[in-house]
Amino acid sequence: KNEVEQSPQNLTAQEGEFITINCSYSVGISALHWLQQHPGGGIVSLFMLSSGKKKHGRLIATINIQEKHSSLHITASHPRDSAVYICAVTNYGGSQGNLIFGKGTKLSVKP
Amino acid sequence: NAGVMQNPRHLVRRRGQEARLRCSPMKGHSHVYWYRQLPEEGLKFMVYLQKENIIDESGMPKERFSAEFPKEGPSILRIQQVVRGDSAAYFCASSPPSGYSKNIQYFGAGTRLSVL
Repeated sequence: KNEVEQSPQNLTAQEGEFITINCSYSVGISALHWLQQHPGGGIVSLFMLSSGKKKHGRLIATINIQEKHSSLHITASHPRDSAVYICAVTNYGGSQGNLIFGKGTKLSVKP
Repeated sequence: NAGVMQNPRHLVRRRGQEARLRCSPMKGHSHVYWYRQLPEEGLKFMVYLQKENIIDESGMPKERFSAEFPKEGPSILRIQQVVRGDSAAYFCASSPPSGYSKNIQYFGAGTRLSVL
């Protein structure tokens, strides 16, 4: 079993829909990261969080430490949101660079 | 303020040759990380470096792979005697030296290595 699991693996949505991507992890963590990988391959860091909730524009990330679960929400989705969304954790006690990654959720938003 | 710069973007090597991948971190960043993404697989941590020091190399293959981050110049990931299984996208990231932001990593565009 992977230490970081994401669901769903693939997601197709219509423009304007509310989207949720889930991430569960099985290790103790000091931080959780959400990343976006564009179709061209570039990676952008969206959020880093260790508790609660963060919001940036139409993106919202939440984390429940007790349940070892995080969600990434996209409100009013748009075709330009189409990308692979990756959850990663910094293992508690590990070095800050040693991220453990999920396999990603491929999102496709249709106009 | 330029982002993390990786070069080359694409690199083609024949089996047995050496591959050198370069990464210039963002200005003011002293921490560099290398990750590998094999085809159809997720990202995997390789190595974490600070200037002139390797902090964590637990993800580096034991043979043929090495990394450095000298006092001057870019970080280099070196793969000797490449094999077809080394074909992958290699990403570099950097972060600032201290404060809350030190855990936020900024990624380069990656180097896509193809071994013929």
